[in-house]
Amino acid sequence: DVKVTQSSRYLVKRTGEKVFLECVQDMDHENMFWYRQDPGLGLRLIYFSYDVKMKEKGDIPEGYSVSREKKERFSLILESASTNQTSMYLCASSLRARGSGELFFGEGSRLTVL
Amino acid sequence: GDSVTQMEGPVTLSEEAFLTINCTYTATGYPSLFWYVQYPGEGLQLLLKATKADDKGSNKGFEATYRKETTSFHLEKGSVQVSDSAVYFCALSTISSGSARQLTFGSGTQLTVLP
Repeated sequence: DVKVTQSSRYLVKRTGEKVFLECVQDMDHENMFWYRQDPGLGLRLIYFSYDVKMKEKGDIPEGYSVSREKKERFSLILESASTNQTSMYLCASSLRARGSGELFFGEGSRLTVL
Repeated sequence: GDSVTQMEGPVTLSEEAFLTINCTYTATGYPSLFWYVQYPGEGLQLLLKATKADDKGSNKGFEATYRKETTSFHLEKGSVQVSDSAVYFCALSTISSGSARQLTFGSGTQLTVLP
């Protein structure tokens, strides 16, 4: 079975802390994505990566950075967490473009910034 | 840019009722269309998809038809169950940098089915 694993289901951090959210997929997918999910706003794309060491900004990249040193791992970094980054973060992966674009999601990481 | 407009919720139905969740889209070219479902406490999972006009996607009793003329992809089910209670997201895929296809999502519709 396809599997996307997010390292932490729930995190509580303080304003100004550095936060790492880790995501690993075991499907040898080229593409990986980070979304945030907020009530009434659906899912908004933060960053995505279509290859190792490659990254592209999504719709809301401000306040975030990413790292993809290995094909299977895609990390989201909050350099200095703020309360407006309290949200559910979803990682996803997909095959390269020849497919329909179907995404496979992890279970999510719920981050609370106090 | 590309966008998805989804029927606002929440929607509350009785068991065995008919369900329709409306979804319309704006896109250049010919995107693939998807419905994803998120059960409580879980990530999103693909419910069904359609990759070209007039295609019908179906799964678990749910159906949606890709209507290019009305730019719609409405989700339907003839008889809902309590276990269908979840958040439903309509989405379309577009080509991005490096030929990565990314998904643009609607805002989600919360469905609650009462016994």
